[in-house]
Amino acid sequence: AQSVTQPDIHITVSEGASLELRCNYSYGATPYLFWYVQSPGQGLQLLLKYFSGDTLVQGIKGFEAEFKRSQSSFNLRKPSVHWSDAAEYFCAVGAITSGTYKYIFGTGTRLKVLA
Amino acid sequence: DTAVSQTPKYLVTQMGNDKSIKCEQNLGHDTMYWYKQDSKKFLKIMFSYNNKELIINETVPNRFSPKSPDKAHLNLHINSLELGDSAVYFCASSPGTPNSPLHFGNGTRLTVT
Repeated sequence: AQSVTQPDIHITVSEGASLELRCNYSYGATPYLFWYVQSPGQGLQLLLKYFSGDTLVQGIKGFEAEFKRSQSSFNLRKPSVHWSDAAEYFCAVGAITSGTYKYIFGTGTRLKVLA
Repeated sequence: DTAVSQTPKYLVTQMGNDKSIKCEQNLGHDTMYWYKQDSKKFLKIMFSYNNKELIINETVPNRFSPKSPDKAHLNLHINSLELGDSAVYFCASSPGTPNSPLHFGNGTRLTVT
């Protein structure tokens, strides 16, 4: 069955430090992959997406993610974290299940940024 | 010019009541969704409509009834509310093609007392 795993429930980094949020997926075909960010009291905003081509994709707010088929991973990175990046981050895969296209979300990673 | 808007933002009600949440999108998308986010932030698909036709109906109690009067609107009606229905409900839309992302509303926080 299709699934998305985000192994880290919480991550704390200092402002200015680099960041990597992990995401692993399970899907038989080439997946459509997305990263979203949710600030408190807000809906989810798309950071970036991958569906083909260059495996390193750039997104908004200085984020990037790398698709690694051999590891079934789509990790999110940022070279230097800002205090405003503190939020909940969700990885998602678009997959066809039972003939219907669905978005399957991971359980999220809460990022805390220390000043 | 909000893309996906849902009302109300907060909803506090007592057990046994019936309530509705409304959602509208002005993106011209064909597909709309309802997601439930629990206290642990887990997002679970509830329903999806494509051009007013129900295409996804997950294992949701039949107290929950979605209605799509047109492809820009998807409302959620909940009968006989229970404590366990307390959550944040998100409406979302997409063009319906596999590589297109979801566009989310800001959520409705439902609290059942």
